[in-house]
Amino acid sequence: AQRVTQPEKLLSVFKGAPVELKCNYSYSGSPELFWYVQYSRQRLQLLLRHISRESIKGFTADLNKGETSFHLKKPFAQEEDSAMYYCALRQGGKLIFGQGTELSVKP
Amino acid sequence: DVKVTQSSRYLVKRTGEKVFLECVQDMDHENMFWYRQDPGLGLRLIYFSYDVKMKEKGDIPEGYSVSREKKERFSLILESASTNQTSMYLCASSSGTGLGNYGYTFGSGTRLTVV
Repeated sequence: AQRVTQPEKLLSVFKGAPVELKCNYSYSGSPELFWYVQYSRQRLQLLLRHISRESIKGFTADLNKGETSFHLKKPFAQEEDSAMYYCALRQGGKLIFGQGTELSVKP
Repeated sequence: DVKVTQSSRYLVKRTGEKVFLECVQDMDHENMFWYRQDPGLGLRLIYFSYDVKMKEKGDIPEGYSVSREKKERFSLILESASTNQTSMYLCASSSGTGLGNYGYTFGSGTRLTVV
């Protein structure tokens, strides 16, 4: 069955520290993966998609098919990065989401 | 420029009531979705629709139904609300199935409390 796993419920780092939010998936086929972010009191929004190979707000994510992972990384965390992050896998026309990781960046 | 609008931000309903959650999008999207968001469980798909009058069950459809009479509107119905349906409900829409630019646009959510 297709599944997305985010093993960390909460990740707490200090400002300026590197950040890595983990995402593993199971999918039989060529996966299409996304990261969504929800800042406090805001709606869920797309952060980046692997197919675009983009960097948004300093975040990057590389698809590793061998490890079936799509970890989200940022070299220097900022306080404004504090939010809820969801990894998602596309299955046809719908998205399967992971459990979410709350990132807390302390000053 | 709000694109996906959920009619209520907060709702409090009694056990056994029939509850309607409304979602409207103004982007002419074909696909619409209802998820519930719970801490530690992430987003779980309840129902979705790829076209007017079409609906498909998601992963947790029990206790829910949907209606899509017009392309822009997708309603979630709780036939007889129960306390375990207390949650944040998110509506989303997307256009087509093309590669490269696929993604959801979410509404701001409806926090439903069943007492």
